[in-house]
Amino acid sequence: KQEVTQIPAALSVPEGENLVLNCSFTDSAIYNLQWFRQDPGKGLTSLLLIQSSQREQTSGRLNASLDKSSGRSTLYIAASQPGDSATYLCAVFGNEKLTFGTGTRLTIIP
Amino acid sequence: SQTIHQWPATLVQPVGSPLSLECTVEGTSNPNLYWYRQAAGRGLQLLFYSVGIGQISSEVPQNLSASRPQDRQFILSSKKLLLSDSGFYLCAWSPSNRGPQETQYFGPGTRLLVL
Repeated sequence: KQEVTQIPAALSVPEGENLVLNCSFTDSAIYNLQWFRQDPGKGLTSLLLIQSSQREQTSGRLNASLDKSSGRSTLYIAASQPGDSATYLCAVFGNEKLTFGTGTRLTIIP
Repeated sequence: SQTIHQWPATLVQPVGSPLSLECTVEGTSNPNLYWYRQAAGRGLQLLFYSVGIGQISSEVPQNLSASRPQDRQFILSSKKLLLSDSGFYLCAWSPSNRGPQETQYFGPGTRLLVL
C-alpha cells in the first residue's frame, strides 16, 4: 500500500527566503507525482506534475524534483511571498489512483 | 473552459440524517469523476471514482454511496450519517481521453459537520 509522507507538517519563514518542502513515498512504482496548493477551506490547485521519467519541472518561482528510485520529491519555492502562504500537498499516481500526503502548512511572515 | 461546481458549500446535519452532495462539471464531455474526503489532520482519501454514466468504483467500505445519473453529474449520498462522516468533501475531474494519470481538477469542496 502506497504511503506518502510530508515533512515538516508546518513551516514559517520570513518573506523573501527560499524554501524547500519535502515529500517521500514508499512504493516507487508510480506513474507521476504532483504538487498541489490548498488555501484554507478551499479546493486544490495543481502546481506541478512530474512524470516518472522526468527529474524536475519548473513553473515561475516553483521547481519540483523527483527521485523515483529513492522515493523522494522536493518543492523549491524561490523568493517567498506572503501570497505563498497555504498548505502544499504532494500526491503520487500509481495503481490507478492518486495517493496524497497530509501536507505542509506554509506561512510566509511579512 | 472547464469548471467544476459543488454544493452546498457548507452543511450541518444531525447523526442519522440522509446526505446528498452534488458535483457538476461544465465544458467537457465524458470526464473521469472522483469523490475525496479530507478529515482533520489526515490526507485526502479517495472514496469513489467513475469513468462513465452508471459506472462507480468504491475505494473504501463505508456508509456512503455515489451515483452518476448524467455524464457530468456526480452525487455522493448517505442514508444515515455518522459522526465520523464529518469532513471536507472534494469532487474532482480529469479528462478521460488522456487517461486517469493526468492532472485532476478539484472543485471548491463541501464542508460537512455531523452533530
